Amino acid sequence: DTGVSQNPRHKITKRGQNVTFRCDPISEHNRLYWYRQTLGQGPEFLTYFQNEAQLEKSRLLSDRFSAERPKGSFSTLEIQRTEQGDSAMYLCASSLAGDRGGNIQYFGAGTRLSVL
Amino acid sequence: DAKTTQPTSMDCAEGRAANLPCNHSTISGNEYVYWYRQIHSQGPQYIIHGLKNNETNEMASLIITEDRKSSTLILPHATLRDTAVYYCIVRAYNTNAGKSTFGDGTTLTVKP
Repeated sequence: DTGVSQNPRHKITKRGQNVTFRCDPISEHNRLYWYRQTLGQGPEFLTYFQNEAQLEKSRLLSDRFSAERPKGSFSTLEIQRTEQGDSAMYLCASSLAGDRGGNIQYFGAGTRLSVL
Repeated sequence: DAKTTQPTSMDCAEGRAANLPCNHSTISGNEYVYWYRQIHSQGPQYIIHGLKNNETNEMASLIITEDRKSSTLILPHATLRDTAVYYCIVRAYNTNAGKSTFGDGTTLTVKP
């Protein structure tokens, strides 16, 4: 499978716990994006990387959230001290900036987080 | 990124063409129109994109009006598996600000 891979697919945690999600992009893609989606709404942008540099962060990304892409390949999204409002689907996407195909973002299947 | 407006929901009979409209009246000259769809519990799936010319691929056709203020995604022969939420996005092509701004999309229900 050469698509975007996200793990775990589902995560149930108790309020106050820390959680970490992983995203493996399509191998040659240099851009990686994180989005959050709540029920009945479209995905909301959180942050994105070009290679290992984090170029943009949304105001939605509070100080409890941190994302890394240490070697410009896979990325992790950590949420500290989870709150019930963090319950959502967390989506990762990747794209190839500089290609002639339109910088199309390809999405993974997402990680569904439930905070009890 | 320009804002888009889509109908909340649409129905289509199986085997018929599904025509999904999108208004993007504030689109800028360097912004493309992208369409994605999302089937329940899956990530969004890229369908097609275009600038000003009509585009066609194996999944769909995209018709963009001459003034570029609106577009229509056409699924020529809708099947039950095309039931999904369809998102229309406008985004500058290949700039540093590569994020996509999604609205709430159109829920297309294909009926037997």
